[in-house]
Amino acid sequence: AQSVTQLGSHVSVSEGALVLLRCNYSSSVPPYLFWYVQYPNQGLQLLLKYTSAATLVKGINGFEAEFKKSETSFHLTKPSAHMSDAAEYFCAVSLNTGNQFYFGTGTSLTVIP
Amino acid sequence: NAGVTQTPKFRILKIGQSMTLQCTQDMNHNYMYWYRQDPGMGLKLIYYSVGAGITDKGEVPNGYNVSRSTTEDFPLRLELAAPSQTSVYFCASGTSPNTGELFFGEGSRLTVL
Repeated sequence: AQSVTQLGSHVSVSEGALVLLRCNYSSSVPPYLFWYVQYPNQGLQLLLKYTSAATLVKGINGFEAEFKKSETSFHLTKPSAHMSDAAEYFCAVSLNTGNQFYFGTGTSLTVIP
Repeated sequence: NAGVTQTPKFRILKIGQSMTLQCTQDMNHNYMYWYRQDPGMGLKLIYYSVGAGITDKGEVPNGYNVSRSTTEDFPLRLELAAPSQTSVYFCASGTSPNTGELFFGEGSRLTVL
């Protein structure tokens, strides 16, 4: 069975500090991995995706994530947090053998001025 | 571009009533999904479709039904509404779960009293 674990349901950082949101997955086959962001009262938007090309993936708004197969991780980072980064972030996985996406439970990011 | 459009945005139902959440996409995507989002629980898949005339159950299908008569439309029907169905519902569409991302609607907030 496939699953996605996001460590930390709430993360707070100071403006300008490093953002690190953790995501681990379990999968019996190579996965495709995604990070989505949800701003209040909106749907989810794609931040970035890993689809078996480069292991370091750059996304929108300065975010990036690194696929580490040995650690089954796909952590999301941003060097310097901005107030506008405050949102809910979801990690998701899909497989080339199925039709579904599996989402983590989300991490709420607060940016402190 | 309209993308994925959901209606209504808000609805209050009484226990036992029925209703249909509408979802339309104009991107000619074959794959469409209905998720519900509850606080701290992430997104749970209700039903999905891989093309017109084809639907399948997700993780939490009980109490819901879907149909896919056209590529564009994927309505979700709630029969005999229960308080446990109070949630935010998201419709999403995509080209493929292997490499493509999901495009989400803005959500429909349903309250059952």
